[in-house]
Amino acid sequence: GEDVEQSLFLSVREGDSSVINCTYTDSSSTYLYWYKQEPGAGLQLLTYIFSNMDMKQDQRLTVLLNKKDKHLSLRIADTQTGDSAIYFCAETLSDSWGKLQFGAGTQVVVTP
Amino acid sequence: ETGVTQSPTHLIKTRGQQVTLRCSSQSGHNTVSWYQQALGQGPQFIFQYYREEENGRGNFPPRFSGLQFPNYSSELNVNALELDDSALYLCASSTPGTVGGYTFGSGTRLTVV
Repeated sequence: GEDVEQSLFLSVREGDSSVINCTYTDSSSTYLYWYKQEPGAGLQLLTYIFSNMDMKQDQRLTVLLNKKDKHLSLRIADTQTGDSAIYFCAETLSDSWGKLQFGAGTQVVVTP
Repeated sequence: ETGVTQSPTHLIKTRGQQVTLRCSSQSGHNTVSWYQQALGQGPQFIFQYYREEENGRGNFPPRFSGLQFPNYSSELNVNALELDDSALYLCASSTPGTVGGYTFGSGTRLTVV
């Protein structure tokens, strides 16, 4: 099974904030990532956070990391219809450079 | 616009056949990783190549094999195809030590019938 867990679906109204949650199990994770996948497309890196940080902000995106609870979240401010996609969180381990461990993805649907 | 291109975009094969998927990495990226993404799932790591040698492998049987060439292009070969091999296959290129430097291609959709 997945070592990274995410809720499967999120519906949000245009203009509201979206919060996508993720839990991971490996405490030796070094970097944690958020990727976006639109239909028929590959994965687009949105943002990442180093495991010794607890927050990172990048324009409309805010990543929060609670290392004690192994909980990662992605907040998207002012959600737009173009934000409708599947969002994956992923981790890399210190001894496994290049190997990303992904969650199953959260499908975000933005309604007008 | 991604710098990683994959071919073909779609492919249909019969169970028991062999398939070769191709990836052209972003210029300067000497590491390539391959992932299998089944429908409704997250990508699963197959293996990684660095400077033409396999450098890490996930829980995939030996019938999944790969090659990386000096021009940073690479191949994923799958022998004796099974129905469960139907998936989107993604390659990602990177340079070691570059955080977040994984550039993914759009994938090859393989259907095994």
